[in-house]
This record gives sequence, C-alpha cells and structure tokens, in this order.
Amino acid sequence: EPEVTQTPSHQVTQMGQEVILRCVPISNHLYFYWYRQILGQKVEFLVSFYNNEISEKSEIFDDQFSVERPDGSNFTLKIRSTKLEDSAMYFCASRGVGTYGYTFGSGTRLTVV
Amino acid sequence: KQEVTQIPAALSVPEGENLVLNCSFTDSAIYNLQWFRQDPGKGLTSLLLIQSSQREQTSGRLNASLDKSSGRSTLYIAASQPGDSATYLCAVNTGNQFYFGTGTSLTVIP
Repeated sequence: EPEVTQTPSHQVTQMGQEVILRCVPISNHLYFYWYRQILGQKVEFLVSFYNNEISEKSEIFDDQFSVERPDGSNFTLKIRSTKLEDSAMYFCASRGVGTYGYTFGSGTRLTVV
Repeated sequence: KQEVTQIPAALSVPEGENLVLNCSFTDSAIYNLQWFRQDPGKGLTSLLLIQSSQREQTSGRLNASLDKSSGRSTLYIAASQPGDSATYLCAVNTGNQFYFGTGTSLTVIP
C-alpha cells in the first residue's frame, strides 16, 4: 500500500537553529498538509498546500514557518529559528484528487533544546 | 471554530469485549469524518472514513457511524483483542483541514 514517508524520524536541535523536515507524499497525490502534535495535546493543523502554493494556514503557521515543494517528490517544512515550544511530533499528510481520506506519515519527532 | 470531543479519555476492557468509542463535534457542516489509530510515539493509521452523506462504514471488526445533524460519531470495536490497544482519534474535515479530538486511550487486557 502506498505510504507517506517522513525523514528524519527524530531530530534534536538547538534553540535558534533552522530545521527542515522532509516528506515524500504518495506519488499521484496533489494536496499536501503539515500537522503537529505537542506531547499530550491534540493534533493541530499547520498548513495545506496545492498547486505549488499555500491554500490555507493556521495561526500557528507564522513567519518562522515555510513550506516548499522543491522537486516533484519532496514536500518540506522549514522552521527558521526554533523555539522550545516548537518541540512536537510533526506529521505530513497527502490526499489525491477526487479522494477524501488523508494518508499520514509516521511523523518526525522534533526536540528543541 | 470546530471543537471535537472524545469520551471516554481512557478505557480498559478485558479481551473479547465489544466496545464503543464516542466522538462529538460542534459544527455539523463537515465534509467527512475519519477515525485514526495511534500507537505510542507513532504516526496516524487511518481506520475508517465516513463521508458526510453516509451513515456508517465497516472494516472487519470495526464499524463507525455518523449522525451529522447531532454532531456525533461512534466507533464500535467487536471482540476486542490485546493488539487493539492504542489511542483512537476522531477527526472531522471541514473543507481544507481536519480538526482532531484528544483521543481515547484503549487498553485491552488479555
């Protein structure tokens, strides 16, 4: 069964450093998403991306965050200057045209120290 | 803003029992609702997707129902097994994003 692949599975970074989280969505999917889950809290929407642009973003997705689809397969989330409160599990998801269910990746656990 | 609530927060049952997990949402204007399973420290595995026009979906021992007008969904698990132990998340899709509940942590005791 097709999968959404996320790398790395776990990343530790110093506060103030830039991090890039990588995702490879399912190959024929065109809608891409990032969600995050702070430990013990709900999964929260960050951003949706379609046709090479952001279609919707949440209040969490401020100027420190950016997304990019640098080539035909990768979808990345960049955090420019990480803060302690950015520590969370980050999930990438994708959806195909004409389908309704999302497929989520296994997540990247980001720890900011 | 859509709010999704799941009860109970935690549930412990002996193996073989049938059980029901509940999900409620405040805004009935949804496109669909999806139930996920999450193992500790892991990703989200989709279990069932119900479109707003549907009343229920079944997959193996799982059955999910949707009553959009009352803002409720249930996930029924038949003949529970220890391998079903996980957190079950309900998520409602309002168009361009999902709103998640806090989940029900299920433990099935052998």
